[in-house]
Amino acid sequence: DAGVIQSPRHEVTEMGQEVTLRCKPISGHDYLFWYRQTMMRGLELLIYFNNNVPIDDSGMPEDRFSAKMPNASFSTLKIQPSEPRDSAVYFCASSRTGDHTGELFFGEGSRLTVL
Amino acid sequence: AQSVTQPDIHITVSEGASLELRCNYSYGATPYLFWYVQSPGQGLQLLLKYFSGDTLVQGIKGFEAEFKRSQSSFNLRKPSVHWSDAAEYFCAVGVDRGNKLVFGAGTILRVKS
Repeated sequence: DAGVIQSPRHEVTEMGQEVTLRCKPISGHDYLFWYRQTMMRGLELLIYFNNNVPIDDSGMPEDRFSAKMPNASFSTLKIQPSEPRDSAVYFCASSRTGDHTGELFFGEGSRLTVL
Repeated sequence: AQSVTQPDIHITVSEGASLELRCNYSYGATPYLFWYVQSPGQGLQLLLKYFSGDTLVQGIKGFEAEFKRSQSSFNLRKPSVHWSDAAEYFCAVGVDRGNKLVFGAGTILRVKS
């Protein structure tokens, strides 16, 4: 399997612009997670889905952030409008319930810089 | 609320020396516990996990961890560190039947030759 695929790997944008980050989970995985990593706050869970349904979005910082999972093989995290404090590495991860409970498979991350 | 504390932000050890990274958790029920490793510019990779049973668990790359309920700890150990072990290590506790992970702040391991 190709693993979790994220795009873009790097994004530089200006404040106020819309940013869309994309994730393709591992085939057969029913959980999908979006994490944000910064030096100051470490790894923060933003939102996670089970079977394409959002289960917990309590980590989404504010209404500027939204996430969707239209099908089992694709998810997006959108920031509109973006702000400099959104600069971070955003990770997507997926997992499968059952024997692999708790084993998250991470993508390589999308490094976002908002100027 | 669930939380994980990794008291050491940075640790430096000599190559060949033993290693112990500390982790304490707060969780009301029986915890699912994990250690992940992150190399620079990469995502996280699972080293080992504890769900139940034997409190000493073995992982990849020669790592092991011991669950101590009385101390709410899950410390990671390796008897002999290699230069390639330099990375950041994250302890995590799993909720929602282990499917949602809450991570600690991480410990950066430096290995000196």
